[in-house]
Amino acid sequence: QVQLVQSGAEVKKPGASVKVSCKASGYRFSNYGISWVRQAPGQGLEWMGWISAYRGNTNYAQKFQVRVTMTTDTSTSTAYMELRSLRSDDTAMYYCARGQWLYDAFDIWGQGTMVTVSS
Amino acid sequence: EIVLTQSPGTLSLSPGETAALSCRASQSVTSSYLAWYQQKPGQAPRLLIYGASSRATGIPDRFSGSASGTDFTLTISRLEPEDFAVYYCHQYGSSPRTFGQGTKVEIK
Repeated sequence: QVQLVQSGAEVKKPGASVKVSCKASGYRFSNYGISWVRQAPGQGLEWMGWISAYRGNTNYAQKFQVRVTMTTDTSTSTAYMELRSLRSDDTAMYYCARGQWLYDAFDIWGQGTMVTVSS
Repeated sequence: EIVLTQSPGTLSLSPGETAALSCRASQSVTSSYLAWYQQKPGQAPRLLIYGASSRATGIPDRFSGSASGTDFTLTISRLEPEDFAVYYCHQYGSSPRTFGQGTKVEIK
C-alpha cells in the first residue's frame, strides 16, 4: 500500500542538527513531491517547506529558510529534512506528507518523528 | 500569507448530533484549494476533504464541505464516537501553505 515511513525519535542538544528521513513505498516516488510539516506539543500544524522528488528543487517557508535543507534520494525513494541550530522551541513532531508544491492536498502522511531539543 | 481562522475552538456535542466547523480565510483562497484534516491523539492528520467540497478516498458521506467566498465549513452529520477529534483546515493554493489553528470536537 501507499505509505511514508519516517525515522525514529531524536533527542538533541541546543545548537545541534537533526536529520529526519521519510521512505516512500507503493507509488512512483518521482511523480510527487514531499512537504514537511511540524507540530509542537499541544499546538497546530506548521508547513516548513517542500521538495520535488523529480528535480530536487525546493521551496522553504521563510521562517526556516536559513536553517533547513530538504533533499531526496531517488534510488531509495527517501526524502530527508535537516534542521540546524536547534532551539528548545524546535521540539515538535515532524511529519512528511505527499503532494506537489501547491494545488495538492496532503493525501498521505508519515507517522511522524518526535524531535526533542533539551540541554 | 493567508491566515485561516477556525471557530469555535472547541465544540461539545453528543453522538448523533451534527457538527458545523468554520474556517475563515484572510483573503481569497485560489480556486477553492482548501482541505480539511482530522487528527486523533498520537496520530498523523488524515485528509477528509479537498477542493473545499470533495471527499477523499474512503471518507464516509456524513462528512461534507462547503464554501462561500472566504468562508469554509466542514459539516459532520450524525456524529459517531470515532469522529471526536481535532479538525484542521488548510489552504494549498498560495505559498506558503497555511493551516488553521484547529477545532476540537469533544463528547458532551
